[in-house]
Amino acid sequence: EAGVAQSPRYKIIEKRQSVAFWCNPISGHATLYWYQQILGQGPKLLIQFQNNGVVDDSQLPKDRFSAERLKGVDSTLKIQPAKLEDSAVYLCASSLTIRSYNEQFFGPGTRLTVL
Amino acid sequence: DQQVKQNSPSLSVQEGRISILNCDYTNSMFDYFLWYKKYPAEGPTFLISISSIKDKNEDGRFTVFLNKSAKHLSLHIVPSQPGDSAVYFCAASNYGGSQGNLIFGKGTKLSVKP
Repeated sequence: EAGVAQSPRYKIIEKRQSVAFWCNPISGHATLYWYQQILGQGPKLLIQFQNNGVVDDSQLPKDRFSAERLKGVDSTLKIQPAKLEDSAVYLCASSLTIRSYNEQFFGPGTRLTVL
Repeated sequence: DQQVKQNSPSLSVQEGRISILNCDYTNSMFDYFLWYKKYPAEGPTFLISISSIKDKNEDGRFTVFLNKSAKHLSLHIVPSQPGDSAVYFCAASNYGGSQGNLIFGKGTKLSVKP
């Protein structure tokens, strides 16, 4: 079974530029999550999708971050414009259902550096 | 305000001995707890979980203990192996609630020395 795929693995941009990350979850997984992990911290949920609908985006900085999951499969997370404090690893995860006891499967992450 | 706390940033253990990683939480609504393991340049991988209706769950060398009254859980690894060297994250969720979001601690870096 293929895992969660993310690209790119690394990205370096200057502040005020825009950037986009892509995630392909495990086949059949209805729930998709985007996390931000700042160095020395645990992952923090940014947004959660159930199929192609948003379940929770309460911690997403909506003035600069946006995410979509068209057709309920792949997802993209965009930052525009980027700030220095956005430097972090962006993790995508998926799970079979929203409220079962299945664990979340994480991708390798995209390491973003904002200069 | 951190709802899940891992107060030890690092832990060093000799191979073959027991590793004990601790985690405290503040939200009494949490009813499901998980441990994830993370190697450098990889995403976290699920290790073991426990429901709040249990006080112990065991899977091979890994055992998680939950003390609800103290709002404390611990992960025991026996015996520890060099391949266990990684960052361990404690996570909690209110699965009985709405979305089942995971709240993570900051992690504990375990080093198992041969």
